[in-house]
This record gives sequence, C-alpha cells and structure tokens, in this order.
Amino acid sequence: GENVEQHPSTLSVQEGDSAVIKCTYSDSASNYFPWYKQELGKRPQLIIDIRSNVGEKKDQRIAVTLNKTAKHFSLHITETQPEDSAVYFCAAESVSGGSYIPTFGRGTSLIVHP
Amino acid sequence: DTGVSQNPRHKITKRGQNVTFRCDPISEHNRLYWYRQTLGQGPEFLTYFQNEAQLEKSRLLSDRFSAERPKGSFSTLEIQRTEQGDSAMYLCASSLAGTTGELFFGEGSRLTVL
Repeated sequence: GENVEQHPSTLSVQEGDSAVIKCTYSDSASNYFPWYKQELGKRPQLIIDIRSNVGEKKDQRIAVTLNKTAKHFSLHITETQPEDSAVYFCAAESVSGGSYIPTFGRGTSLIVHP
Repeated sequence: DTGVSQNPRHKITKRGQNVTFRCDPISEHNRLYWYRQTLGQGPEFLTYFQNEAQLEKSRLLSDRFSAERPKGSFSTLEIQRTEQGDSAMYLCASSLAGTTGELFFGEGSRLTVL
C-alpha cells in the first residue's frame, strides 16, 4: 500500500515569514495529492490539492508543488498569519481495483508567532 | 444539508464492551471512508465504501472491527470487545466519485476505553 512521509512534525515561524512542508510518497500510481488543515478540535478541511498532470498550483498565499519523478510534493505558505496556525496533513490517493484511498502523512503542527 | 454528521460525538466505555458509531455522509456522496486518528498522528485509513459495496477492508485493525453501509447511505463502524488501545478519534469522510476527490470529514466520534 501507499506510504506517506511528512516533515517537519513541528514548524515555528514569525508572522510574515514563509513556511514549507514536505511530503514523500511510495506508490508511483498515486495521482491526487490534497492538503488538509485541521484547527484544534475541528475536522480536517481541504485547503489545496494537485493532480499528477500538474507541477504547481497556487491559491493566493498557498501553493503546492509536485515532483512525480522524485515522488515528493510540498506545501508553501507565504506571508504567514497567526490564523494559519494549525496542523497540516498531506495525502496521496492511490487507485487499486476501483478503490480510491487517500493515505495521510503524520501531520505538521505550524505555529505562527505574532 | 449540513455536511457529514457523526454520532455519538463522545463515547466512554469499559474494556470488553461493544461500541457502534454512525456516520451520515453528505446525501449525494457515494464514497464513504472511515479513519482513526490518535493524538499527534494523521488519519489512519480503516475502510472504504462505494455506494453499499465495501471495496477495501483489509486495513481494519483487527477482526473486532467491522463496518456496514447497508443501503449506500449512512454507515456504522462497530468495535467488539473494546481494548484500551482502541481509544482514539474515529473520523468518517465522504466524497463524490467523478469530482475533485476532496474528502468532507465529520467532526468525529471520540472513544475512550477505560
């Protein structure tokens, strides 16, 4: 099955700095890579995603890059704000026998200091 | 439609008891997932339904775990003979095949086994 590694586990930045979270995956057949944000005590929510036919996608202060050859993808947050503080999860969706199964990384706790 | 709902939100039980969690997905969503999340970890995949068919169940943690989705709508996750190691948040998510792949999570059912 798919295996997703995520680093770092904790990331502390000053407001206005950039933050980068990196993930690697093992299944070369995976073709969908979403990122979820989970605030304390709340459910995970999608913030951005990318498919394997695209190398980069941006949405305002958030961008995701994908390197299929190396099997890694990254989340970039620019001009961080205190409300960006949360746990971020990457995921890779593998497809097998008609099943679409997202496998999650262990999460990165982002702390943005005012 | 208010999104994915899960019941109960909290369950405290004694070791050896059986527990059942219910998930009501977004009404038009045909894919339904169960994940387990422990403190400081990412969601861990348990099982997956497309309509009423359980397409992947090999990652259910043991034969004490079972899930159903009898009419392709709501789903239940049952844990028999609970153990202290079963204490976790059980998350349900749904999605619609043929769309972006985004998972919509419920708020989770927190299980505490004494």
